Amino acid sequence: EPEVTQTPSHQVTQMGQEVILRCVPISNHLYFYWYRQILGQKVEFLVSFYNNEISEKSEIFDDQFSVERPDGSNFTLKIRSTKLEDSAMYFCASRRLGTDTQYFGPGTRLTVL
Amino acid sequence: DQQVKQNSPSLSVQEGRISILNCDYTNSMFDYFLWYKKYPAEGPTFLISISSIKDKNEDGRFTVFLNKSAKHLSLHIVPSQPGDSAVYFCAASDAGNNRKLIWGLGTSLAVNP
Repeated sequence: EPEVTQTPSHQVTQMGQEVILRCVPISNHLYFYWYRQILGQKVEFLVSFYNNEISEKSEIFDDQFSVERPDGSNFTLKIRSTKLEDSAMYFCASRRLGTDTQYFGPGTRLTVL
Repeated sequence: DQQVKQNSPSLSVQEGRISILNCDYTNSMFDYFLWYKKYPAEGPTFLISISSIKDKNEDGRFTVFLNKSAKHLSLHIVPSQPGDSAVYFCAASDAGNNRKLIWGLGTSLAVNP
């Protein structure tokens, strides 16, 4: 069964550094998402991406964040200058056109020191 | 922002009995509801969903009930098995194209042998 994959599983970085989180969505899916979950808090929507552009973003997704689909398989989330409060689990999800269900990857735990 | 609420942080059930997990929402624009199961250090796994035009959806041991007038849904697991022990998240999306998910805080289910 096709799965969403994410790398790395754990990323430790220093405050102010740039990080790139990578995702490979399910191959015939056309909608892509990033969510995050800070420890003890709700899963929060960050951004959705369709047809090679951002279709919606939350207030959290400020100028420090960007997303890209550099090729036909990868979908990346970049944080330009990480803050302590960016420490969280980041989940990538994808959805097939014409359906309503999103499928999630295993997540990347980002720790900002 | 409490658009989706899961008021029980935890639930303990005996193996073979019914587990009932509850979820309330406030946004009447939500038209699709999903339940995800999550084990520690893994991503959310899709379990079952229901459209707002239905009041019940069943898949094996899992049934989701939707009461639109009360803005309430519940997940029933019958019979409960020890492998069902996990955190269960209720999520909702509105009728927009992007289908971003709004999440509850989750309920930790423990099924005791």
